[in-house]
Amino acid sequence: EAGVAQSPRYKIIEKRQSVAFWCNPISGHATLYWYQQILGQGPKLLIQFQNNGVVDDSQLPKDRFSAERLKGVDSTLKIQPAKLEDSAVYLCASSSYRGRIVYEQYFGPGTRLTVT
Amino acid sequence: DAKTTQPNSMESNEEEPVHLPCNHSTISGTDYIHWYRQLPSQGPEYVIHGLTSNVNNRMASLAIAEDRKSSTLILHRATLRDAAVYYCILIGLGNTGKLIFGQGTTLQVKP
Repeated sequence: EAGVAQSPRYKIIEKRQSVAFWCNPISGHATLYWYQQILGQGPKLLIQFQNNGVVDDSQLPKDRFSAERLKGVDSTLKIQPAKLEDSAVYLCASSSYRGRIVYEQYFGPGTRLTVT
Repeated sequence: DAKTTQPNSMESNEEEPVHLPCNHSTISGTDYIHWYRQLPSQGPEYVIHGLTSNVNNRMASLAIAEDRKSSTLILHRATLRDAAVYYCILIGLGNTGKLIFGQGTTLQVKP
């Protein structure tokens, strides 16, 4: 079974530029998550989708971050404009979570973003 | 979701058992105990989870205290590949499935 795919793996941009990350979850997984992991910290959830609807985006900085999941499969996360503090690894995960039953999440390799 | 407390770091020798503790004194009756680990330069990976009874799978064992206020992840024979950050996470009913990561325990395995 193919895992969660993410691209690009690395990205370097200057502050105030924009950037987009792509994620392809495991086939059949209804739930997709985007996490931000700053160096030395555990991942923090930015946004969660159930199919193509948003379940939780309480920690997404909506003035600069946006995400979409068209057709309930692939997802893109965008930052515009980027700040120095956005330097982090952006992780995508998917799971079979439905309702009250929690299944394990499968993570992609992440995209390492450096903002200079 | 209830908070967990883990030691910042632990060391182990290769091929010896490792016991990684987690305290969760405010756990509620419907909180599941999940463990994930993150190898260097990789995304986290699921290890094991349980509710009340001890659990075993091919990767590890999970021992849950009778009062559920603590649990221990057991790696039966540590290998160099087990060097990672281990996260203990509680997920309750009504949680949307999101994982709330703490600092975790960094496990170093010495040859």
